[in-house]
Amino acid sequence: QKEVEQNSGPLSVPEGAIASLNCTYSDRGSQSFFWYRQYSGKSPELIMFIYSNGDKEDGRFTAQLNKASQYVSLLIRDSQPSDSATYLCAVNHEDSSYKLIFGSGTRLLVRP
Amino acid sequence: GAGVSQSPRYKVAKRGQDVALRCDPISGHVSLFWYQQALGQGPEFLTYFQNEAQLDKSGLPSDRFFAERPEGSVSTLKIQRTQQEDSAVYLCASSLGGIIGRTEAFFGQGTRLTVV
Repeated sequence: QKEVEQNSGPLSVPEGAIASLNCTYSDRGSQSFFWYRQYSGKSPELIMFIYSNGDKEDGRFTAQLNKASQYVSLLIRDSQPSDSATYLCAVNHEDSSYKLIFGSGTRLLVRP
Repeated sequence: GAGVSQSPRYKVAKRGQDVALRCDPISGHVSLFWYQQALGQGPEFLTYFQNEAQLDKSGLPSDRFFAERPEGSVSTLKIQRTQQEDSAVYLCASSLGGIIGRTEAFFGQGTRLTVV
């Protein structure tokens, strides 16, 4: 079992809908939680990160963290075709905060 | 520079050949990281430099992999006697500091290595 698990998808949603991407992690020592977007053939780009339980909003994106359930999610409101990409969840640990541990990613397809 | 620059973008190597992959981090970034991304997978940590010091090389898959950053800027990842399982995209990232979360890691476009 990988330390960070994501459904590989594809997750297909219509334009304008809310896309919900989920991630679970196994190490309770995980400190911060990151969402990256990666277009095909491109480098990962940071969308946002969260380290406290609850919600964190940034524009159309909301990250949700539940440490008790070891679960982090990313909601994308008003999804656009340009949001179609692979979304990578990553965590780091307090004792090695320089190291990101990634899931395999969820492919999101937003249909026009 | 404007971002993290990696070269070459693509490399085809015959099995057994040695390869060297270059990373130019963002100017002034103290921390530099190498990750390996296999097809359909997320990036996996290889090694971490703070300036010229290699502080963690625990992710290097074997002793055929070697990374250096002699002057605390440009870094080179060298793979000796390449094998087919080395085929992947090698990503370099840099950041101002070493605590990701307080500082952002910026990734380069990667080098796609294909071993034939």
